[in-house]
Amino acid sequence: NAGVMQNPRHLVRRRGQEARLRCSPMKGHSHVYWYRQLPEEGLKFMVYLQKENIIDESGMPKERFSAEFPKEGPSILRIQQVVRGDSAAYFCASSPTGRQSGNTIYFGEGSWLTVV
Amino acid sequence: DQQVKQNSPSLSVQEGRISILNCDYTNSMFDYFLWYKKYPAEGPTFLISISSIKDKNEDGRFTVFLNKSAKHLSLHIVPSQPGDSAVYFCAASAGGSARQLTFGSGTQLTVLP
Repeated sequence: NAGVMQNPRHLVRRRGQEARLRCSPMKGHSHVYWYRQLPEEGLKFMVYLQKENIIDESGMPKERFSAEFPKEGPSILRIQQVVRGDSAAYFCASSPTGRQSGNTIYFGEGSWLTVV
Repeated sequence: DQQVKQNSPSLSVQEGRISILNCDYTNSMFDYFLWYKKYPAEGPTFLISISSIKDKNEDGRFTVFLNKSAKHLSLHIVPSQPGDSAVYFCAASAGGSARQLTFGSGTQLTVLP
């Protein structure tokens, strides 16, 4: 009865390096969402994916950020050439479907990225 | 442009009393509202939700009220317990093809023993 699994829980990267955050949705869930929480702020939507498809990436920064949800394996949020402003908590969430109003999405424990 | 606002960053309540957390929204397209609870260094945990076709939803100690005309919702916790101390986020979404949630900035609830 695993929930949404994220790893790593904590990641430290130097400026200019790449960060990869992984997310396995709850069993039976085919929709994945990534949210970011900057210090002292609420969660902000980044991207919504189904298997092999990006449905909505309106919250993703235009550069350096990408996300995928391959047919096999976890969803990956990739941040290239990290900068200090990327330091945040990144939360993955999943839901069984994305189209029906009334579906609740369930969050993972988060991945805390620190850029030094 | 904050579409979901939680104007009280913090709230302190005595154990056993009622906690009332408030949330206002501006987007009239929102049709589904959720409350999440979050402890430090953990992910948000879903508490309770309400569809715009209802004005009240109750689950145990938690009740959410929705006033569509005022674009306001509130979460009532009664009786409050020390374990309820956490940050509470209000979130909203609009019907359609995406389940993008718009979150408020959160209210830190402290229940005093």
